[in-house]
Amino acid sequence: GQNIDQPTEMTATEGAIVQINCTYQTSGFNGLFWYQQHAGEAPTFLSYNVLDGLEEKGRFSSFLSRSKGYSYLLLKELQMKDSASYLCAPRGDYKLSFGAGTTVTVRA
Amino acid sequence: EAGVAQSPRYKIIEKRQSVAFWCNPISGHATLYWYQQILGQGPKLLIQFQNNGVVDDSQLPKDRFSAERLKGVDSTLKIQPAKLEDSAVYLCASSLSGQRYEQYFGPGTRLTVT
Repeated sequence: GQNIDQPTEMTATEGAIVQINCTYQTSGFNGLFWYQQHAGEAPTFLSYNVLDGLEEKGRFSSFLSRSKGYSYLLLKELQMKDSASYLCAPRGDYKLSFGAGTTVTVRA
Repeated sequence: EAGVAQSPRYKIIEKRQSVAFWCNPISGHATLYWYQQILGQGPKLLIQFQNNGVVDDSQLPKDRFSAERLKGVDSTLKIQPAKLEDSAVYLCASSLSGQRYEQYFGPGTRLTVT
């Protein structure tokens, strides 16, 4: 089975940095995805890590440590439009499993 | 490039009624997924197709849910009979074959069972 743990909510101010942590246990491991989901909308792909280390993509970066079963998503220079739920999704042997998501609220 | 299409966008039915959802994936995407997302939770995989074959349906409540992808393109998900706890958003997603490829989600169908 899959166990995925991420904080329920985080709040930060515009221009700040927020780090969303995710710990997971999977049957096998074939990469980890992060998705963004605005309220009432479908999830959209943000990042994919399959090897240990940091992947940077503009204002968003994602880190993976396979030995620790740990990943984080780093959001820099926060903007109001970044207010959304962020879903950690490790892929096990056969399928992708989603965490419950971390709701990030960006305040002016 | 057209995205994943789903219909209807909203549906309200009474318990014990039946309902069907339709999904048309991105052209060329061999893998199609149906997810159930209950408010406040992450999406839960119901069924995964590779072309017109089922790869994983371990979390599909087969006594009431069914899905098909007859020609390996579009797909339908049916619930019969519906229960109150089926109220959720049903998301369809598609991807290229292979584990590193991201999934593209449709807008979803919001189902309310009264």
